Amino acid sequence: GIQVEQSPPDLILQEGANSTLRCNFSDSVNNLQWFHQNPWGQLINLFYIPSGTKQNGRLSATTVATERYSLLYISSSQTTDSGVYFCAVTSMNYGGSQGNLIFGKGTKLSVKP
Amino acid sequence: DTAVSQTPKYLVTQMGNDKSIKCEQNLGHDTMYWYKQDSKKFLKIMFSYNNKELIINETVPNRFSPKSPDKAHLNLHINSLELGDSAVYFCASSPNRGRWRNTEAFFGQGTRLTVV
Repeated sequence: GIQVEQSPPDLILQEGANSTLRCNFSDSVNNLQWFHQNPWGQLINLFYIPSGTKQNGRLSATTVATERYSLLYISSSQTTDSGVYFCAVTSMNYGGSQGNLIFGKGTKLSVKP
Repeated sequence: DTAVSQTPKYLVTQMGNDKSIKCEQNLGHDTMYWYKQDSKKFLKIMFSYNNKELIINETVPNRFSPKSPDKAHLNLHINSLELGDSAVYFCASSPNRGRWRNTEAFFGQGTRLTVV
């Protein structure tokens, strides 16, 4: 099946710093989503971005589908950005017709005041 | 209004018991899912239902039985609970299915199951 690798696995930032999280995937995808799991365990949709670039406030994401990677940018980080960031994909060749997401292992972000 | 809601949020039970987790979505989506998040935070698909029909069962023990009374509800029933079933279970839904259609999934708040 498709492999989804996220880097770095852990990231510690000082408040106000910028960061880039990366997601590599091993097959063609027809869906890619970024999620934030907050310290209370909720999975919050950040971006639905199978290709192209999107921005939402301090967050932006870019997916280059032909090169099989996606990037999540966090600018001017705040303590409330802490949590785990997941990349998840639906593969055209593995369960894509069912739409089930394959998750990476996540990047754990800690933002210090 | 909560788009995908699960109940209960926390569930503590003894080994051998049978329990159910309920899920409802008010997004009008066709497809619903159950995911399991283990102690290492890894999320994995368990079941996928489309319009009340089981589409996928990812090597889940048959002690786990999903039930979909209508396309807005997907409940998870677990028989003979074991210690290893302790995890967070997430329900999700998405609007479309099909090989060439894009989907965006929305998740419930999760149910933390602890088997003692």
